Amino acid sequence: KAGVTQTPRYLIKTRGQQVTLSCSPISGHRSVSWYQQTPGQGLQFLFEYFSETQRNKGNFPGRFSGRQFSNSRSEMNVSTLELGDSALYLCASSRRTSMISTDTQYFGPGTRLTVL
Amino acid sequence: AQSVAQPEDQVNVAEGNPLTVKCTYSVSGNPYLFWYVQYPNRGLQFLLKYITGDNLVKGSYGFEAEFNKSQTSFHLKKPSALVSDSALYFCAVRAANQAGTALIFGKGTTLSVSS
Repeated sequence: KAGVTQTPRYLIKTRGQQVTLSCSPISGHRSVSWYQQTPGQGLQFLFEYFSETQRNKGNFPGRFSGRQFSNSRSEMNVSTLELGDSALYLCASSRRTSMISTDTQYFGPGTRLTVL
Repeated sequence: AQSVAQPEDQVNVAEGNPLTVKCTYSVSGNPYLFWYVQYPNRGLQFLLKYITGDNLVKGSYGFEAEFNKSQTSFHLKKPSALVSDSALYFCAVRAANQAGTALIFGKGTTLSVSS
């Protein structure tokens, strides 16, 4: 079974631009979560999508948004990029068969975003 | 608030020796606990998890972890380290009564295994 895929793997943008990252979950997985990884803050939860609806949201500004499509694929958008948005953005998928889930999150390889 | 602490930024062990990577957590209620490993320029790979039941959990690549409720710890162990185990290890927690799958991660521990 194919793992979580993320595109693009690397991205360079300048301040003020916007960016869209894409994530395809493992087949059959309905939940997609996004995380930001930086050397200073570590791994931080951005948001989770399940059945095309945002279910949970971390403590990030409204410039960070996402969506999920009917095939469970997800996109994450960051508008008005700042230097501090440079990070590895990780997508994780899980089956999430119930509201309270014991399911494991499986991570993609990430998208390395550099903001100049 | 939920939190995870990995008290050691780096752990150094010789190949063939046992290794331990420490993790303590704080959640309201019962925890679901996870260990992941990250190799350079890669995403996180799942190693093992504790949901309920036996306090000793066995996972991938010979790793195991012991859940200790009284000490709120979930230390990762391996009886005999390999050079290829050198990587960044993350402990993560989610409250059992929390809806969704979001995880709170520790800062990570770099494991260095020397030959």
